[in-house]
Amino acid sequence: DQQVKQNSPSLSVQEGRISILNCDYTNSMFDYFLWYKKYPAEGPTFLISISSIKDKNEDGRFTVFLNKSAKHLSLHIVPSQPGDSAVYFCAASRNAGNMLTFGGGTRLMVKP
Amino acid sequence: NAGVMQNPRHLVRRRGQEARLRCSPMKGHSHVYWYRQLPEEGLKFMVYLQKENIIDESGMPKERFSAEFPKEGPSILRIQQVVRGDSAAYFCASSPSNRNTEAFFGQGTRLTVV
Repeated sequence: DQQVKQNSPSLSVQEGRISILNCDYTNSMFDYFLWYKKYPAEGPTFLISISSIKDKNEDGRFTVFLNKSAKHLSLHIVPSQPGDSAVYFCAASRNAGNMLTFGGGTRLMVKP
Repeated sequence: NAGVMQNPRHLVRRRGQEARLRCSPMKGHSHVYWYRQLPEEGLKFMVYLQKENIIDESGMPKERFSAEFPKEGPSILRIQQVVRGDSAAYFCASSPSNRNTEAFFGQGTRLTVV
C-alpha cells in the first residue's frame, strides 16, 4: 500500500530551465509534507516543507506547491543547476511529526 | 556541531550472523528514527525512539529486529540471524522534538548479507 507516490522515476532538464517534480498521496490524514534531496552514498538532506494549511512555500530557487483537493504536491526548481542532479524524495507525515512516509524518489539530471 | 553519526558505514555479514548498527544523534536531539531503503525504493520507516523508550515500532519486522536508545550512548538497531533480504541501506535521523521540526539524517549504514 503505497501512500506516497512519485510516478516519474527520472527527469532530465537543461541547465537554467525549470525542474518540476511531482508527488501524489492517498492518505488524507497527512498534514505535513517535505522534500529531501539525496546524493549517492549519503543520507537525505532536507530541502523544503509545507504544512497542509498552506498551498505554497518558497525558499530561494525552490518552491513547493500543495493541492489538497487533488492530493498532489510538486517541487519547482528554477533555475536548475548541474549541482541539483540527485534523487529527490517526497515525504509526508501526520500531526507534523517526523515519522515520515516516503515516495520512491525521482532522479533529476540537470545537463549543462 | 557534528551531524548525525552512523557507524559502520558498510557492514558485511554472513547469513545467520548478527548485525549491529549504531546511531549517535545530533547534540541536543533526543528523538531518533530508523529507516530502511531497499535497492531502487524509497525509505521506509521502521522505529521511533526517545531516550530509553520505544515510541512507535510499527515499521519493524516482527522477528529478528530490535532497537534501543539507552540513557547513555548511541541508538542501536540490531538484526539477528540476518538473511539476504536484509541487505539494504539503513538510515538514522534525529530531531529535537517530534513536531514541526525537520529531522536530520545520517549517512547511513549499507548492510550486505552474503
